[in-house]
Amino acid sequence: GAGVSQSPSNKVTEKGKDVELRCDPISGHTALYWYRQSLGQGLEFLIYFQGNSAPDKSGLPSDRFSAERTGGSVSTLTIQRTQQEDSAVYLCASSLALGQGYEQYFGPGTRLTVT
Amino acid sequence: QKEVEQNSGPLSVPEGAIASLNCTYSDRGSQSFFWYRQYSGKSPELIMSIYSNGDKEDGRFTAQLNKASQYVSLLIRDSQPSDSATYLCAVYRRDTGRRALTFGSGTRLQVQP
Repeated sequence: GAGVSQSPSNKVTEKGKDVELRCDPISGHTALYWYRQSLGQGLEFLIYFQGNSAPDKSGLPSDRFSAERTGGSVSTLTIQRTQQEDSAVYLCASSLALGQGYEQYFGPGTRLTVT
Repeated sequence: QKEVEQNSGPLSVPEGAIASLNCTYSDRGSQSFFWYRQYSGKSPELIMSIYSNGDKEDGRFTAQLNKASQYVSLLIRDSQPSDSATYLCAVYRRDTGRRALTFGSGTRLQVQP
């Protein structure tokens, strides 16, 4: 079946502009996560959505970052007033929220470059 | 101390050999453990999950978990050049309410033809 999809695959923006990144999870997966990976760095958790529950925003680095998930499916990560340190690959993952598994499957990512 | 630690490598093994990748974690309450493979410029791909002490085999891959010693390892038998990638260890603890995985920084594996 179809995996996690993300768009755009690449985004170049000027410092100070707003950007929106989109994630479409695997059909039937109720949990959705956003991570980011800076060059040569590990994966950094940003935000988690599960069904209709309040999202876990504990990983968002600043109030310039926000995310929403509409209809329990597609999610949009918005970065306002982008800074050069926001340059990274933004990865979306989804999982079934069952038992102890929580196996997360990643999309191809969006490479964001802030100039 | 990092929550999940991995040797960054590179770990270099000849084709056909067994590659052994190790990971230690600090949170004794961790319950689920995952290995991801990440090729350069690509996103992580889930290759193994393990939840109980012992070994779990899937094809050429074996995951080993020892909760008492707080380590998890991944063995790759008959290593192929196509296995050359960065391998990420990830740990999950369900009861804290935080649903995110905690990742190690990865071990780069090079399989020499």
